[in-house]
Amino acid sequence: DAKTTQPPSMDCAEGRAANLPCNHSTISGNEYVYWYRQIHSQGPQYIIHGLKNNETNEMASLIITEDRKSSTLILPHATLRDTAVYYCIVRPRWDNQGGKLIFGQGTELSVKP
Amino acid sequence: DAGVTQSPTHLIKTRGQQVTLRCSPKSGHDTVSWYQQALGQGPQFIFQYYEEEERQRGNFPDRFSGHQYPNYSSELNVNALLLGDSALYLCASTHTGTSGSRNTGELFFGEGSRLTVL
Repeated sequence: DAKTTQPPSMDCAEGRAANLPCNHSTISGNEYVYWYRQIHSQGPQYIIHGLKNNETNEMASLIITEDRKSSTLILPHATLRDTAVYYCIVRPRWDNQGGKLIFGQGTELSVKP
Repeated sequence: DAGVTQSPTHLIKTRGQQVTLRCSPKSGHDTVSWYQQALGQGPQFIFQYYEEEERQRGNFPDRFSGHQYPNYSSELNVNALLLGDSALYLCASTHTGTSGSRNTGELFFGEGSRLTVL
């Protein structure tokens, strides 16, 4: 499994965009980039995933560089409830018995009033 | 629609004892994975069950064992507890499905069972 590198912590002002970077320079062609977050004392929650195109859903946007060696998760208007640890994970999507995720240390995002 | 449910939410054991944690997957899901999360660390994969068999296993000793029932619910058993087994144990479910369907890679996690070993 490819490894990811994320900054250990970031701050963001409430209402501003939060941009969380992730490096995955050893990603292989069949591996997708997944983002999960974990709010304190809760289980991780899926946010978004992508292969090579930018993706957007109701929670966030995912920007993947053309060489796929890095990506950025964007929370367009961060709220206090977005304070959490954010994990960037790479894995093959077509894992027919999917259930294994390799979590790193993640980025602890603090959204401040 | 109930999500992933785990029990108990908290428990305290002493060294050498055995513990059983339980998980009911999200409705429609057939695959259950277990994770251990030590304080301040990311979750670590223990193993995964599909069709009542262990399919993948992480780097955990055989003191950690599991079971999946025909209704897809699962148990995690830990024998001969050590102080280092104190952690949040997370269960996650997904749908693997049959030929022609696909796994999107999205796991749904429960709130976890917090185990303290004294």
